[in-house]
Amino acid sequence: DTGVSQDPRHKITKRGQNVTFRCDPISEHNRLYWYRQTLGQGPEFLTYFQNEAQLEKSRLLSDRFSAERPKGSFSTLEIQRTEQGDSAMYLCASSTPFKPNEQFFGPGTRLTVL
Amino acid sequence: GDSVTQMEGPVTLSEEAFLTINCTYTATGYPSLFWYVQYPGEGLQLLLKATKADDKGSNKGFEATYRKETTSFHLEKGSVQVSDSAVYFCALSDWNSGGSNYKLTFGKGTLLTVNP
Repeated sequence: DTGVSQDPRHKITKRGQNVTFRCDPISEHNRLYWYRQTLGQGPEFLTYFQNEAQLEKSRLLSDRFSAERPKGSFSTLEIQRTEQGDSAMYLCASSTPFKPNEQFFGPGTRLTVL
Repeated sequence: GDSVTQMEGPVTLSEEAFLTINCTYTATGYPSLFWYVQYPGEGLQLLLKATKADDKGSNKGFEATYRKETTSFHLEKGSVQVSDSAVYFCALSDWNSGGSNYKLTFGKGTLLTVNP
């Protein structure tokens, strides 16, 4: 069990640039979640995959955000035309079909938009 | 919608003191309740959980009891250690029948600092 990994751990970008984050869930975890956490707040749900299907998206996920999980394994989260308000920690979590409500979190990707 | 309210921090205690972090929730269905912990520089870790009313979750000396009548899930520990210094998040997962999304709704977190 190598845990959930995320890459990169830190990303600094200029406003208007596109960024892409990657999440590798624990092997055989079929559920994958993305959350966003801003300073002083708890994580907020962004989107959810079961295998390769994206089954729910939060209203927080504007049209500039897109997420994929093409083979039901790793997932990517892309933000187009970044804004300063996108600065946050982006967290990925995964869970098994046997204990679906126990989510294991990755270390997060901290995005800073200048 | 679902929401979680937890006591404002920061909380500062001396080693071996008793800890309580209050958490109350609002949910439309039958939620499972969780406490997650985030140690400095690390990711969120599940500390304990309870899936139905009157369940008690426990781990590493921490306990929390699912109280449906008061919609609460307060975290307690009888004797804290310096190594317990971290941010603690209360969360719920309100899985509704027919769905498969166990998304978590978190409180804002409570920073605990334990001094030797």
